[in-house]
Amino acid sequence: DIVMTQSPDSLAVSLGERATINCKSSQSVLYSSNNKNYLAWYQQKPGQPPKLLIYWASTRESGVPDRFSGSGSGTDFTLTISSLQAEDVAVYYCQQYYSTPHFGQGTRLEIK
Amino acid sequence: QLQLQESGPGLVKPSETLSLTCTVSGGSISSSSYYWGWIRQPPGKGLEWIGSIYYSGSTYYNPSLKSRVTISVDTSKNQFSLKLSSVTAADTAVYYCARHRLTVTTPIDYWGQGTLVTVSS
Repeated sequence: DIVMTQSPDSLAVSLGERATINCKSSQSVLYSSNNKNYLAWYQQKPGQPPKLLIYWASTRESGVPDRFSGSGSGTDFTLTISSLQAEDVAVYYCQQYYSTPHFGQGTRLEIK
Repeated sequence: QLQLQESGPGLVKPSETLSLTCTVSGGSISSSSYYWGWIRQPPGKGLEWIGSIYYSGSTYYNPSLKSRVTISVDTSKNQFSLKLSSVTAADTAVYYCARHRLTVTTPIDYWGQGTLVTVSS
């Protein structure tokens, strides 16, 4: 199994400031034949199902604001929110779909 | 707009079998090359993929749950189902049905609202 570990577990950022969440996989999720990283990011607000934000590590899902961006390759990945808005308060999960799908433990993002 | 809706008992006794159904609307479960899956989330905790199925019946299961899980599909009803046997309190969770963008090795792009299943006598 490829295990995903996120850091930090929780994060408080001021409105308008940058938020950065990290995700590390226990093995590479880069598939050499197509040079794609099998890594997604989801946002989950209280009482709601997760929402897909980013896939292939850096491709933004349709309708997702461009303040959300994903980067990284191999085993180390980052979700960045360039200018935090109040509606971005949520728990964020990374997920690898290279093998048996596995989610990170989640990072709780709050307003400072 | 594709919609997924979970249904089934909200309370299951220990050692019994948890059974849930996901009804898909706004699209045919067998018309395209999607995998359909189940994910669960214990209260206050993270997400765990349980398994996924193709309309033909091909399945993939989480190895940690494989011995207790059966996922099936009923294309005539546009539904797929989850059975989890020998449940314990550790199986108490919100259970989501969902759709993979394509195969199991693609992201999950549609989710149901989830249903809470409590395991208790």
